[in-house]
Amino acid sequence: ETGVTQSPTHLIKTRGQQVTLRCSSQSGHNTVSWYQQALGQGPQFIFQYYREEENGRGNFPPRFSGLQFPNYSSELNVNALELDDSALYLCASSLTSGTEQFFGPGTRLTVL
Amino acid sequence: GENVEQHPSTLSVQEGDSAVIKCTYSDSASNYFPWYKQELGKRPQLIIDIRSNVGEKKDQRIAVTLNKTAKHFSLHITETQPEDSAVYFCAEPASGTYKYIFGTGTRLKVLA
Repeated sequence: ETGVTQSPTHLIKTRGQQVTLRCSSQSGHNTVSWYQQALGQGPQFIFQYYREEENGRGNFPPRFSGLQFPNYSSELNVNALELDDSALYLCASSLTSGTEQFFGPGTRLTVL
Repeated sequence: GENVEQHPSTLSVQEGDSAVIKCTYSDSASNYFPWYKQELGKRPQLIIDIRSNVGEKKDQRIAVTLNKTAKHFSLHITETQPEDSAVYFCAEPASGTYKYIFGTGTRLKVLA
C-alpha cells in the first residue's frame, strides 16, 4: 500500500503567475482534500474532491481551483499568484468523505 | 460557528514528565476528533483519534479524552521523550461538511 505523494516538493513563482500542484492519493482512497499551511499556523481547508466532484470548499477565492481524475489523483491550480499565497500546500486522502485523512509531504510554494 | 481553540501554544517539559494539550470546539454536533503531530518540515501525521461515543482512548504513551458536555478534548502524552518534540494539532470536522478545522497548534519541547 503506497502513501499519499505530492509533486513538486518545492516551487518558486512570481506574482501574477499560475501554478499547478499534484497529489496522488493513498491506494484505495477516493477522496482528496487540499489545505494551505502558512508558516507557524495550522492547515486551512481549501476544498475536497470526492469521486471527481468538488465536495466542499473553504474560504478561498475562485482563483484556487482543482480537479480530481478517475484514478482519484488530484490537482490544485492557483491563478494570479499573490505574495500571501506562499505556504506549504498539503493534500490529504481518505477512504471516503468523512473518514480519517492522511497527509502527503506537501509542496512548499514561494511567491516572489 | 467554526472554531477550535487550542492551548497552550508552547509547552516545555522535562523528559519523562507528562504533557497535556487541550482543545475546545464549538459545534456540539461534531463526532470525530483527531490529533496530528507535525515535525519540522514534515507532513502532519495522525497519531490518535476519538469518536464521540467514547470518553477516552489510549495507545501506549498517548491518550485522548473527550468531554462532550464541556466540548473539549485533550491529548495526554506520558513518559515524554525527546522525539515527542514537535507541533501538535487538534482538528474537528466542520458540521455538515467534510472539512477539518484545525487548532492553532502546540509546540512541544521535551528537554533531555
